[in-house]
Amino acid sequence: ILNVEQSPQSLHVQEGDSTNFTCSFPSSNFYALHWYRWETAKSPEALFVMTLNGDEKKKGRISATLNTKEGYSYLYIKGSQPEDSATYLCALPDEDNFNKFYFGSGTKLNVKP
Amino acid sequence: GAGVSQSPRYKVAKRGQDVALRCDPISGHVSLFWYQQALGQGPEFLTYFQNEAQLDKSGLPSDRFFAERPEGSVSTLKIQRTQQEDSAVYLCASSLALTHQETQYFGPGTRLLVL
Repeated sequence: ILNVEQSPQSLHVQEGDSTNFTCSFPSSNFYALHWYRWETAKSPEALFVMTLNGDEKKKGRISATLNTKEGYSYLYIKGSQPEDSATYLCALPDEDNFNKFYFGSGTKLNVKP
Repeated sequence: GAGVSQSPRYKVAKRGQDVALRCDPISGHVSLFWYQQALGQGPEFLTYFQNEAQLDKSGLPSDRFFAERPEGSVSTLKIQRTQQEDSAVYLCASSLALTHQETQYFGPGTRLLVL
């Protein structure tokens, strides 16, 4: 079993604020980390797949970094917009069984206009 | 193209009733996954199919849960004699292949409420 933790559990920001949250995981036997965004009443949407220590990925105003040695990934949103309101999930595959992914409990972001 | 679809989107069942949840994966996707998400938690793995073969069912919580994918495309998750603790969102995902980097594409989920 892989212990994946996300913090904070929820976040309320004003439109235009920049924000970031964390996904923590055991640093041994790392293979990949996936970030997803899940808007209410929609399907979870893949944001990034991160595999290498020091990886930095960007998609518009959203970016993510990865530190496999210390076991964390940060997701940053620059200039938050109401449409960024969603739950952000991270997931990692089991070291012995790539079909089994372990998810964190998510960070629920609410951006107020 | 069309994404992963699930039906029904919402299901209310009386305790003891059997339910069947359907997943239509993206065409051509070999791998199919089922997850259960309880309130306030992240999705938890239930089972995995490669084509029609169920290769891992280690996450199914009890023998009341049964999944199938007989022709390697559509999958059904069946829950017999539902209990209140089965109330959750059931997510289906598919992917083209099985590697640690492969993106899983999710459906919108079926929200099950057992009264």
